Amino acid sequence: LAKTTQPISMDSYEGQEVNITCSHNNIATNDYITWYQQFPSQGPRFIIQGYKTKVTNEVASLFIPADRKSSTLSLPRVSLSDTAVYYCLVGVSGGYNKLIFGAGTRLAVHP
Amino acid sequence: GAGVSQSPSNKVTEKGKDVELRCDPISGHTALYWYRQSLGQGLEFLIYFQGNSAPDKSGLPSDRFSAERTGGSVSTLTIQRTQQEDSAVYLCASSLLAGANTGELFFGEGSRLTVL
Repeated sequence: LAKTTQPISMDSYEGQEVNITCSHNNIATNDYITWYQQFPSQGPRFIIQGYKTKVTNEVASLFIPADRKSSTLSLPRVSLSDTAVYYCLVGVSGGYNKLIFGAGTRLAVHP
Repeated sequence: GAGVSQSPSNKVTEKGKDVELRCDPISGHTALYWYRQSLGQGLEFLIYFQGNSAPDKSGLPSDRFSAERTGGSVSTLTIQRTQQEDSAVYLCASSLLAGANTGELFFGEGSRLTVL
């Protein structure tokens, strides 16, 4: 199972771009990279998913280099409401393997 | 309902008692996961169900923990002879198995267990 490594915490200010990098050196060929966001007292929720290169949605962008051994979640112009824990997850659910969450990155956005 | 439903939302019990936590996944989702999250910590994998296959129980911390999934839908996580270290939020997630689906997990709001 692919293990992930992320920074434990990050600090930012409103309006800045935040980039969180996740390392997954033993990612498998059929693994996707998924990021989740978790607010206090809530279950995690899906942010973005990708396999290679770049993926962008209305919330974030995900950059994946050619070797896929890492990925970077980019949050443009963060606000106070982006303060949360962000988890990088590698794998494919639904019958291929169980999904193991890492410790996550605690992002604090300051005024 | 449209999302994953968990009950009870809060459970306070005495050490040594048994507890049952219920998860009702999204209709049609064949994969179901249980995770545990202690205060300020990340998610700890407990068990994984996929369709009618034998569950992956490799994350269960002890034989006091067990889980069932009846009819491929509702799941119950049972903790016998609860201990104070079992206090945590127990999260359930489901996922749709489909050829092109890459496995977005949908989480419930969790069941907060407090063992006195």
